[in-house]
Amino acid sequence: GESVGLHLPTLSVQEGDNSIINCAYSNSASDYFIWYKQESGKGPQFIIDIRSNMDKRQGQRVTVLLNKTVKHLSLQIAATQPGDSAVYFCAENGSGGGADGLTFGKGTHLIIQP
Amino acid sequence: SAVISQKPSRDICQRGTSLTIQCQVDSQVTMMFWYRQQPGQSLTLIATANQGSEATYESGFVIDKFPISRPNLTFSTLTVSNMSPEDSSIYLCSAQQVEAFFGQGTRLTVV
Repeated sequence: GESVGLHLPTLSVQEGDNSIINCAYSNSASDYFIWYKQESGKGPQFIIDIRSNMDKRQGQRVTVLLNKTVKHLSLQIAATQPGDSAVYFCAENGSGGGADGLTFGKGTHLIIQP
Repeated sequence: SAVISQKPSRDICQRGTSLTIQCQVDSQVTMMFWYRQQPGQSLTLIATANQGSEATYESGFVIDKFPISRPNLTFSTLTVSNMSPEDSSIYLCSAQQVEAFFGQGTRLTVV
């Protein structure tokens, strides 16, 4: 079946630098995308979402970019802090309304170096 | 955002037994889901918990193994039946109105 995947399993960045986490999806019908942060021993925490009628959305220190032409999603974290260390998942929903649940990518482990 | 409480947070169970996981949301939500996350891996959708009707299961998951209840708009249970070591995993409840929020998960170990 179609799935959402990630390019890199681990990303190591220096504290204070910007982080970019990438995600590729294969379902061209996907119209709603979400990024989650999961710290050890916890459930996924919602970070930011974007619908397919947008190509960019900004939050506090985070930006999500969507390129529907190449079916690519990215999460940018500005001025990375130690508290940003976690596994980041992209997720996709085909209906945009949650009726079908979410399809998750494999996850990227973000490591912050002092 | 909705606050989701899951119980138990962890358990160690004997093979052949069953465990029921409870999920309580602090507000009424339209959609509730159950996911499984095996160690070091991503989340996989088990089923949609439908209020007042039978759950909708994803491919590879069946009602006899994972019976689900959803008696109202704030509560759901997932039972892992006749457990084997392969069922050792984290089970997560999710509630969704617009964004989807997750509970802390139930870490299940079957011995």
